Amino acid sequence: NAGVTQTPKFQVLKTGQSMTLQCAQDMNHEYMSWYRQDPGMGLRLIHYSVGAGITDQGEVPNGYNVSRSTTEDFPLRLLSAAPSQTSVYFCASRRQGARNEQYFGPGTRLTVT
Amino acid sequence: TQLLEQSPQFLSIQEGENLTVYCNSSSVFSSLQWYRQEPGEGPVLLVTVVTGGEVKKLKRLTFQFGDARKDSSLHITAAQPGDTGLYLCAGARGGSEKLVFGKGTKLTVNP
Repeated sequence: NAGVTQTPKFQVLKTGQSMTLQCAQDMNHEYMSWYRQDPGMGLRLIHYSVGAGITDQGEVPNGYNVSRSTTEDFPLRLLSAAPSQTSVYFCASRRQGARNEQYFGPGTRLTVT
Repeated sequence: TQLLEQSPQFLSIQEGENLTVYCNSSSVFSSLQWYRQEPGEGPVLLVTVVTGGEVKKLKRLTFQFGDARKDSSLHITAAQPGDTGLYLCAGARGGSEKLVFGKGTKLTVNP
């Protein structure tokens, strides 16, 4: 199994551009989440999903959209990038009833200029 | 307000030394996890504790959950350079699907 995969690994955007960060998992996990990691701030939850067709907001959802059309994929969309969105983004998944034990992807480092 | 406070924030020690990292909160957690993250990679789960007072061992790492389920500690015996990394604690409250992370302890073990 590949586990949780994320693309791209690195991305540079200009302010106002849009893009989608891709996340896929092949473990048939029901739950998927997006986090951002900033220096001195730890990991903060952006959006999460408990199953296909169901999404909800986390701690820092503003400026981000998500959808979950399949169990495997959970893309994160930035509609109009801002410098404050410069961060490292991690996707994670877990099984239902797995005590929140998450498997993380390798991350996407995003820079917005 | 940070729900989970980790200390120390940075720790640099020599190979062979022992160390303890703390994760504290004023809130009760139904479960608490420890992850290790290496540069350029995602966090990797080390352990989950769910019962107050629970102690789990993973080779040279000992994890303890406080009796009141508000705090946890990670003790490493005879640290090795391979233990270098960012140690993160994370907790879930009640039936919440949301995991709350501490800011992490960056450990460096020098040969």
